[in-house]
Amino acid sequence: AQSVTQPDIHITVSEGASLELRCNYSYGATPYLFWYVQSPGQGLQLLLKYFSGDTLVQGIKGFEAEFKRSQSSFNLRKPSVHWSDAAEYFCAVVRYSSASKIIFGSGTRLSIRP
Amino acid sequence: DADVTQTPRNRITKTGKRIMLECSQTKGHDRMYWYRQDPGLGLQLIYYSFDVKDINKGEISDGYSVSRQAQAKFSLSLESAIPNQTALYFCATSDLRGEQFFGPGTRLTVL
Repeated sequence: AQSVTQPDIHITVSEGASLELRCNYSYGATPYLFWYVQSPGQGLQLLLKYFSGDTLVQGIKGFEAEFKRSQSSFNLRKPSVHWSDAAEYFCAVVRYSSASKIIFGSGTRLSIRP
Repeated sequence: DADVTQTPRNRITKTGKRIMLECSQTKGHDRMYWYRQDPGLGLQLIYYSFDVKDINKGEISDGYSVSRQAQAKFSLSLESAIPNQTALYFCATSDLRGEQFFGPGTRLTVL
């Protein structure tokens, strides 16, 4: 079965520190990959996406993600977090061949330590 | 104006009542979705529609029904609401590659 795993339920980092949120998927082929962010009380906003090409993708708010085919991973990174980055982050996958419905990970909640 | 709108944004109702949540989009997408979000459980797909004549059940369709009135409109109904349907509900649209565009959500409380 297709699945998306975000192994970290909750992460706390200090403001100004670097961040990496992990995402792994189980598919035979390369899917389309997404990261969404949800601030408290808000809807989901797209941070970045990968369809093909350069495996390092840049997104909004200073985030980037790297697709690693050999590890079936699409980890999200930011060099220096800001207090406003506190939110829930969701990784998501769409299977390339049929562009079927999207599969979301269970999310990682990010807290920022002042 | 927002690309995906949901009404109402908040609703409190009683057990046994029929509730309809409405979604409209101006993205021009054929694909629309309804999700439910509970704390710590991420997003669960309730129903999805790939065009006006196509309706499909998601992971948790029991107790829910949908209607796709037009390309731009997709409504979710709870025929007889129960307390464990208290949740945050999101409508979304997508292009053919599956990139989702979300509405702002409807917070539903069933007493």
